[in-house]
Amino acid sequence: TQLLEQSPQFLSIQEGENLTVYCNSSSVFSSLQWYRQEPGEGPVLLVTVVTGGEVKKLKRLTFQFGDARKDSSLHITAAQPGDTGLYLCAGINNAGNMLTFGGGTRLMVKP
Amino acid sequence: GAGVSQSPSNKVTEKGKDVELRCDPISGHTALYWYRQSLGQGLEFLIYFQGNSAPDKSGLPSDRFSAERTGGSVSTLTIQRTQQEDSAVYLCASSFLPIHDRVYTGELFFGEGSRLTVL
Repeated sequence: TQLLEQSPQFLSIQEGENLTVYCNSSSVFSSLQWYRQEPGEGPVLLVTVVTGGEVKKLKRLTFQFGDARKDSSLHITAAQPGDTGLYLCAGINNAGNMLTFGGGTRLMVKP
Repeated sequence: GAGVSQSPSNKVTEKGKDVELRCDPISGHTALYWYRQSLGQGLEFLIYFQGNSAPDKSGLPSDRFSAERTGGSVSTLTIQRTQQEDSAVYLCASSFLPIHDRVYTGELFFGEGSRLTVL
């Protein structure tokens, strides 16, 4: 079973601060996705990264896929209360038959 | 509706009872997944359906859990003789492209989940 570990598990910051969330594994993934989940709702896709070393930006969010395709990071610049939620990374294995989710990072941004 | 629909949204049952959770995926989506999420935690894979292929049941935690997908559309997850540790949110997701068809760049569309509480 492939495992994805996310850190930190919890993060509480003030509005305007920057933060980075990490997603690590000892396994190689063919692609990796980041989802955000708000209370009472299902996760919603933010981004998919496919190529090792790839960097994608979505407004104030920057996603990076590690060169070896084993890890990823999510950096948020100038966090806002609307960024509050559970951030989940999900890796797809090389066989392409399993989407494995990490344990999530719960982010709270205080105004 | 246009999204994935799950019912019931909340279910409270007594230990030992059977429960059925329903998922109505997005029309045209060939792949359907069930995940389980304990309070504030990540998603635990349960089962995956793709078209008419045999489902991938590798994530089902015990033989008390079963699922079927009728007509390639609606799916039902059944938990027999429920236990307190079964309490969780059960999430269903559908996708247009199967994961193992090629490098996965598609998107899982999730329902809002069914919250199960076993007393």
